[in-house]
Amino acid sequence: SYELTQPPSVSVSPGQTARITCSGDALAKKYVYWFQQRVGQAPVVIIYDDSERPSGIPERFSGSSSGTTGTLTISGVQAEDEADYYCQSSDISDHNLVVFGGGTKLTVL
Amino acid sequence: QITLKESGPTLVKPTQTLTLTCTLSGFSLNTRGLGVGWLRQPPGKALDWLAHIYWNDDKHYSPSLRNRLTISKDTSNNQVVLTVTNMDPVDTGTYYCARRISSGGAYFFDIWGQGTLVTVSS
Repeated sequence: SYELTQPPSVSVSPGQTARITCSGDALAKKYVYWFQQRVGQAPVVIIYDDSERPSGIPERFSGSSSGTTGTLTISGVQAEDEADYYCQSSDISDHNLVVFGGGTKLTVL
Repeated sequence: QITLKESGPTLVKPTQTLTLTCTLSGFSLNTRGLGVGWLRQPPGKALDWLAHIYWNDDKHYSPSLRNRLTISKDTSNNQVVLTVTNMDPVDTGTYYCARRISSGGAYFFDIWGQGTLVTVSS
């Protein structure tokens, strides 16, 4: 299916662990990517190929994928992590058909 | 340093055609394996993929907007151009271009431009 579903919001206190899920049939066969978008800024990729972290992205960001669900985990959340997070993958039959989830607003209490 | 920069009109009228240019710096779309895409984000809403083009001129479009979009590359000027016909107020949003690279057998958008806000209004 050509849809990715994310929770609209997640709230955590500083130092806690935040988990943001992304569900979609295509994730059973396609990679999931995660983007962070702070207010007024362009998106930045923080996880690629399910669990790889680009250089410069803090180790507290990690990704995993199992079955039809991908998960972004932020360990030891910091105030600066407050942002919108988007997952992205592709259609199960065509990697050139790009799809994004609806986004999750992470609030650091 | 690799950068992408979007340029184009900030205001268009309904039914007009929007033309946006993405100027690449620090890399070339002549390089095998690379691509550039366009994405947009209505105010307060989620990201939406529009189209992308690869070094070999292979082009791909969002199925829902395919009949309104045209993407092309000008390698001599290191630019990628997107046209959107028949603009409507619902097309208002920030338009981003982003580099598309290969990893693990798949592609993803690794570096994004700062975006340009386009408003559709009469």
